[in-house]
Amino acid sequence: GQQLNQSPQSMFIQEGEDVSMNCTSSSIFNTWLWYKQDPGEGPVLLIALYKAGELTSNGRLTAQFGITRKDSFLNISASIPSDVGIYFCAGLRMDGNNRKLIWGLGTSLAVNP
Amino acid sequence: DAGITQSPRHKVTETGTPVTLRCHQTENHRYMYWYRQDPGHGLRLIHYSYGVKDTDKGEVSDGYSVSRSKTEDFLLTLESATSSQTSVYFCAIGRTSNEQYFGPGTRLTVT
Repeated sequence: GQQLNQSPQSMFIQEGEDVSMNCTSSSIFNTWLWYKQDPGEGPVLLIALYKAGELTSNGRLTAQFGITRKDSFLNISASIPSDVGIYFCAGLRMDGNNRKLIWGLGTSLAVNP
Repeated sequence: DAGITQSPRHKVTETGTPVTLRCHQTENHRYMYWYRQDPGHGLRLIHYSYGVKDTDKGEVSDGYSVSRSKTEDFLLTLESATSSQTSVYFCAIGRTSNEQYFGPGTRLTVT
């Protein structure tokens, strides 16, 4: 099925560094969602974006809905060890009369204390 | 955290046996979803529900059926389990179709 291009696939950083990841597509989306998944658990919704150009923060996390509606970015500032996990983006678009959520394959983040 | 539970959390079953996974929510959300998560494939939608007795297929629905007889419960059934259905299954709920909140997952192994 269709998937978003999420990059990078993995990152290994030092504690305190800032992190950036993004999702891109050739399709237009109405909503962008960013999730974090810890090992053995379900994904947890971090940020939801509903308008092109929207910039939303949740603590040290900031996400943006790309102005073209084809991409989204997630930044984590001053990373800490508990930021370790897999981050997923998901884009919601209309598919006929249905709304369809398309998922990225995830960015695996490792933080060296 | 959204009030969503899944049962069982772990299950091992043999090829050819029927399996039913349960998703239960206490949030009174309209939308409920079943996903499977496999390495290299990410999250893939199996079936979803937009109300009691209203369900539709996702992208990997073959071999799966669902039922939603009341708002709080969404059941996923594998009529005859196969080894390719070994996976981690996640249920998700949403008040609207714009957001989804996930349960803790069920790890299913088909031997």
